[in-house]
Amino acid sequence: AQSVTQLGSHVSVSEGALVLLRCNYSSSVPPYLFWYVQYPNKGLQLLLKYTSAATLVKGINGFEAEFKKSETSFHLTKPSAHMSDAAEYFCAVVNNAGNMLTFGGGTRLMVKP
Amino acid sequence: GAGVSQTPSNKVTEKGKYVELRCDPISGHTALYWYRQSLGQGPEFLIYFQGTGAADDSGLPNDRFFAVRPEGSVSTLKIQRTERGDSAVYLCASRNRANTGELFFGEGSRLTVL
Repeated sequence: AQSVTQLGSHVSVSEGALVLLRCNYSSSVPPYLFWYVQYPNKGLQLLLKYTSAATLVKGINGFEAEFKKSETSFHLTKPSAHMSDAAEYFCAVVNNAGNMLTFGGGTRLMVKP
Repeated sequence: GAGVSQTPSNKVTEKGKYVELRCDPISGHTALYWYRQSLGQGPEFLIYFQGTGAADDSGLPNDRFFAVRPEGSVSTLKIQRTERGDSAVYLCASRNRANTGELFFGEGSRLTVL
């Protein structure tokens, strides 16, 4: 079965600093991978997705993620953090049938002024 | 509708009571999902509908939990004899059959069992 692990339940960066949120996956087949963002008291919103095309995926709000098969990773990055990026971020993998998402435990990003 | 709509947004109930949570998916989305999110954790899958039928209910924790989608659109998650451990945010999502994996989420229903 597919699964994802997010290293670090909390990440704190200064405004303007690089954001790096880690996600490693486990899958017996080439995975489809997703990053979602959840703002306080809101639903999850798709940031970006990897569906076996380009390994570097660009998403909304300046975020991007790189699929690295050799490292079984799909880390999320943003060159310069903004205060509005403070939220919870979830990595997810889709199952073989393509009809169900399994989520990681989430990483809470805090941005300091 | 424009997005996935969930009601109520907040529900406080007493242990042992019955609760219904409603989800109205994006118009035209054939697949509908229920997830549960406990504090500080990622969403956990409960049940998935394709049309009117439950395609996978393997995530329902026990027989106190039940969900229906009688007309293939609105869904209701039903929890009988609620327990304090049922307190969580219940998220509904829908998907267009053409889009592999990508789910569109509602804002959730926060259930608190006292």
